[in-house]
Amino acid sequence: DTGVSQNPRHKITKRGQNVTFRCDPISEHNRLYWYRQTLGQGPEFLTYFQNEAQLEKSRLLSDRFSAERPKGSFSTLEIQRTEQGDSAMYLCASSSDRNTDTQYFGPGTRLTVL
Amino acid sequence: AQSVAQPEDQVNVAEGNPLTVKCTYSVSGNPYLFWYVQYPNRGLQFLLKYITGDNLVKGSYGFEAEFNKSQTSFHLKKPSALVSDSALYFCAVRDGVVDNNDMRFGAGTRLTVKP
Repeated sequence: DTGVSQNPRHKITKRGQNVTFRCDPISEHNRLYWYRQTLGQGPEFLTYFQNEAQLEKSRLLSDRFSAERPKGSFSTLEIQRTEQGDSAMYLCASSSDRNTDTQYFGPGTRLTVL
Repeated sequence: AQSVAQPEDQVNVAEGNPLTVKCTYSVSGNPYLFWYVQYPNRGLQFLLKYITGDNLVKGSYGFEAEFNKSQTSFHLKKPSALVSDSALYFCAVRDGVVDNNDMRFGAGTRLTVKP
């Protein structure tokens, strides 16, 4: 399968713990996006990378959230000191320079904070 | 900032009947409009987009959408619904003038096609 992959698919953690999610985009895509989706809502934009550069960050991305894409390939999203309100589906998407407007989404990582 | 409204939480149609899933948008610049579908335990799948050109856009699985600038709408349509079309549908908009990647999604419409 050459689509966007995300790991883990599910994560259950206790409040106050740190968690890290990984996203592997489609191999030739240099643009990568993170979204958060809560129950009954559409995805909300969090941040965007072009290659290794993080070019945009939403106001939703608090100081406890950090995203990296060190080599311009896979990306990680870390949440420090998790709160119950962080419980959501975290989606990753990628797109290519030739077709920037069509984003391909991964299956998501569902985070549950107890 | 741009926004999208999907006025119906749920749409029910009988198999073989035409379906419409409604979407209206608000954007200060040029609207780039998208429809995505989400099946259970799967990621969002791209259906179609409107950037410029013909107002009627054809996409995957027999779906189409019509861009209506005066009504600021981008309704998703299909002439004959299939049971397998049952899923969650999201409309999204991006401002084509502002050079950012902040795509705003609607809350989604759950389509149920009954045999």
